[in-house]
Amino acid sequence: RKEVEQDPGPFNVPEGATVAFNCTYSNSASQSFFWYRQDCRKEPKLLMSVYSSGNEDGRFTAQLNRASQYISLLIRDSKLSDSATYLCAVTRDNAGNMLTFGGGTRLMVKP
Amino acid sequence: TAGITQAPTSQILAAGRSMTLRCTQDMRHNAMYWYRQDLGLGLRLIHYSNTAGTTGKGEVPDGYSVSRANTDDFPLTLASAVPSQTSVYFCASRATLNTEAFFGQGTRLTVV
Repeated sequence: RKEVEQDPGPFNVPEGATVAFNCTYSNSASQSFFWYRQDCRKEPKLLMSVYSSGNEDGRFTAQLNRASQYISLLIRDSKLSDSATYLCAVTRDNAGNMLTFGGGTRLMVKP
Repeated sequence: TAGITQAPTSQILAAGRSMTLRCTQDMRHNAMYWYRQDLGLGLRLIHYSNTAGTTGKGEVPDGYSVSRANTDDFPLTLASAVPSQTSVYFCASRATLNTEAFFGQGTRLTVV
């Protein structure tokens, strides 16, 4: 089993829809969590960090569920420009400073 | 601002040849990483470095070596390239364990 897993999708949604992705992690010692966005043939860029209490940035909401070992990303009022691949990333303090990524979930927002 | 820079942006390399992918950051970040990204496999960690002078193996280290002589540079070397090393390589850095990582623009390597 991979340490960090995501549904690869693609998720095809109409503009204005709400869409949610989950990312599961296998190691309970995982400490920090992030969502990245990657556009085709570009480098990943941070979308948001995920805090224990959950956090929101405009149309984006990230949540952490330590008991079930997953993080989630909710996108409200989807825009065409949200079409991209969303990667979750996890760090573990007892694994040096390794930053491990999931395989990514592809989102396609259609008119 | 430069941030993190990779070179070259793309390369075609004959199998059996060696090559060094360069990565330089000007943010004085302690940790640096090399990933490869292949279709359907996401970002896989090759090697990492927590601080200058130290390196560690990631998920797929075989066939690659790294060095970290100073804070800014983290080169990745393929001693004898094979076609399975055809991939997009990303270098990343971050300040501390709980901070975000910044990525270079990537190097597209084709081994023929």
